[in-house]
Amino acid sequence: GQQLNQSPQSMFIQEGEDVSMNCTSSSIFNTWLWYKQDPGEGPVLLIALYKAGELTSNGRLTAQFGITRKDSFLNISASIPSDVGIYFCAGQRASGTYKYIFGTGTRLKVLA
Amino acid sequence: GAVVSQHPSRVICKSGTSVKIECRSLDFQATTMFWYRQFPKQSLMLMATSNEGSKATYEQGVEKDKFLINHASLTLSTLTVTSAHPEDSSFYICSAAGTSGGRDTQYFGPGTRLTVL
Repeated sequence: GQQLNQSPQSMFIQEGEDVSMNCTSSSIFNTWLWYKQDPGEGPVLLIALYKAGELTSNGRLTAQFGITRKDSFLNISASIPSDVGIYFCAGQRASGTYKYIFGTGTRLKVLA
Repeated sequence: GAVVSQHPSRVICKSGTSVKIECRSLDFQATTMFWYRQFPKQSLMLMATSNEGSKATYEQGVEKDKFLINHASLTLSTLTVTSAHPEDSSFYICSAAGTSGGRDTQYFGPGTRLTVL
């Protein structure tokens, strides 16, 4: 199936550092969702974005809906060990279809 | 966010048997439920889209006779893996999608780890 380009694929960072990851597509999306998945569990919704240019925060997490509607960014500030996991973006092309295309994932490891 | 449950969380079965996985949206009326499959260290791959009271729509390459989906109500969808084989071993995740407050979103269940011996 189709997937979004997500980068980086993986990253190792020191505790306290900021993290940035992004998703890009050749197609326009109406909605961007960001999820975190811990090993052996289902993804948990972190942030939802619905308008081009929208910037939304959830605690230390901030995500933005790109102006071109073809990309989205997720930033994590002052990372802590429990931020470790896999982060996925998901894009929805048409409202009401509920069908999302997922990014390839960014595997984050935080070194204490 | 909404609560989506899956049962069982883990199942081990013999080759040739069938396994049923339930997905319940506990506090969210899901217009649509999705079933995904995830292999180790990979992203989620959509298997099928399930709407209440209608036939599921399967993604290309997914055998509808092997992965039977029933969506009996707005809060319950089931996936039955028929005549399971070792290559069907995987992590199966459902999600509930709908509109809340005029905004579309999707919530995932905790997943079911299927191991076929």
